[in-house]
Amino acid sequence: QKEVEQNSGPLSVPEGAIASLNCTYSDRGSQSFFWYRQYSGKSPELIMSIYSNGDKEDGRFTAQLNKASQYVSLLIRDSQPSDSATYLCAVSEYGNKLVFGAGTILRVKS
Amino acid sequence: EAGVAQSPRYKIIEKRQSVAFWCNPISGHATLYWYQQILGQGPKLLIQFQNNGVVDDSQLPKDRFSAERLKGVDSTLKIQPAKLEDSAVYLCASNSRTVYEQYFGPGTRLTVT
Repeated sequence: QKEVEQNSGPLSVPEGAIASLNCTYSDRGSQSFFWYRQYSGKSPELIMSIYSNGDKEDGRFTAQLNKASQYVSLLIRDSQPSDSATYLCAVSEYGNKLVFGAGTILRVKS
Repeated sequence: EAGVAQSPRYKIIEKRQSVAFWCNPISGHATLYWYQQILGQGPKLLIQFQNNGVVDDSQLPKDRFSAERLKGVDSTLKIQPAKLEDSAVYLCASNSRTVYEQYFGPGTRLTVT
């Protein structure tokens, strides 16, 4: 059974701080890794994808992947109250179904 | 580019009734997915289509759930008869053969009473 584990949170950070979200996965065959943001009552919104070991930066977001440790993380710099949401980690083999974690609730306090 | 479309957005039915959901993927996306998201959990795949063929339906409760994608474009997911535990958000997603990112529609929130 392929599993994706995330801390449920809530993770509370002050406005302007760095939020660090973590995810581990069990299937070593996983090749694609994604972070989705989900606001309450809304559907998941893709914010980052990463396929190779190392860091990938996009604006205030940085995704980090370590396949040897089966670990994916998302850093959000200069956190804003609008970043408050549930962050879902998802993994897949190329082009196939996503296996999601349960999500981490992030709260950014102004 | 238009996103994934779903309807209806909300549905309330009584247990043992039937219900159907519709999804139209992003234009040109060959792969379509139906996910079920129960409150407090991450989405779970129900079925994956490649064009009009089923790739993965291993987690679809086939005694009550069915899905089709007859012309390789839009898709319908049906539940008959519904149970209380089917209360969830049903999400449709799509991607192309060469781009692995999946994009989700707004979802259908089903409440079974």
